[in-house]
Amino acid sequence: DVKVTQSSRYLVKRTGEKVFLECVQDMDHENMFWYRQDPGLGLRLIYFSYDVKMKEKGDIPEGYSVSREKKERFSLILESASTNQTSMYLCASSLRAGGLTGELFFGEGSRLTVL
Amino acid sequence: AQSVSQHNHHVILSEAASLELGCNYSYGGTVNLFWYVQYPGQHLQLLLKYFSGDPLVKGIKGFEAEFIKSKFSFNLRKPSVQWSDTAEYFCAVNSYKAAGNKLTFGGGTRVLVKP
Repeated sequence: DVKVTQSSRYLVKRTGEKVFLECVQDMDHENMFWYRQDPGLGLRLIYFSYDVKMKEKGDIPEGYSVSREKKERFSLILESASTNQTSMYLCASSLRAGGLTGELFFGEGSRLTVL
Repeated sequence: AQSVSQHNHHVILSEAASLELGCNYSYGGTVNLFWYVQYPGQHLQLLLKYFSGDPLVKGIKGFEAEFIKSKFSFNLRKPSVQWSDTAEYFCAVNSYKAAGNKLTFGGGTRVLVKP
């Protein structure tokens, strides 16, 4: 089974703190994604990566950055956390499928609260 | 920008009732289409997917979806729901006309099945 592991299930941070969310997948997938999930808004893509050291902005990249130094690891960084970044963060990975994205495999999620 | 619309935010029905959840997307051309489900307290998992071929797709747990290209729709159906189908359901679309590997999700539909 594909396993996508997110390092922290629950975090509480203060406004202005730097936050690192780590994600590791064990199936040699090319693509990795960071989404945030908010009630009524579904999943919104923050950043994705289709290869090591490659990254693409998603729909809501402002206030976030990412790092992919190794194929299995994709980190999301909040340089200076703000209260509107309180959310559930989901990491996912996938193979490519005909040039598009195949099935996504999701981690358990990291619930971040910014006070 | 690519968008995915799910028409119902909340659906409440009784066991054995039929379920249909609507999904429309904004892009033409070649698409990959997905339905994901999130059971209470669990991570997102794939229900079914359409890449090509027969537009009527069968997934797990008795779910099916029909791709109607002319209507830009990919509606999810189940003839007879069970209490265990209580979950949040997300439609997702990946299009060549969008940024190739980007997967866009709808806002989700919360389904409550009353025993």
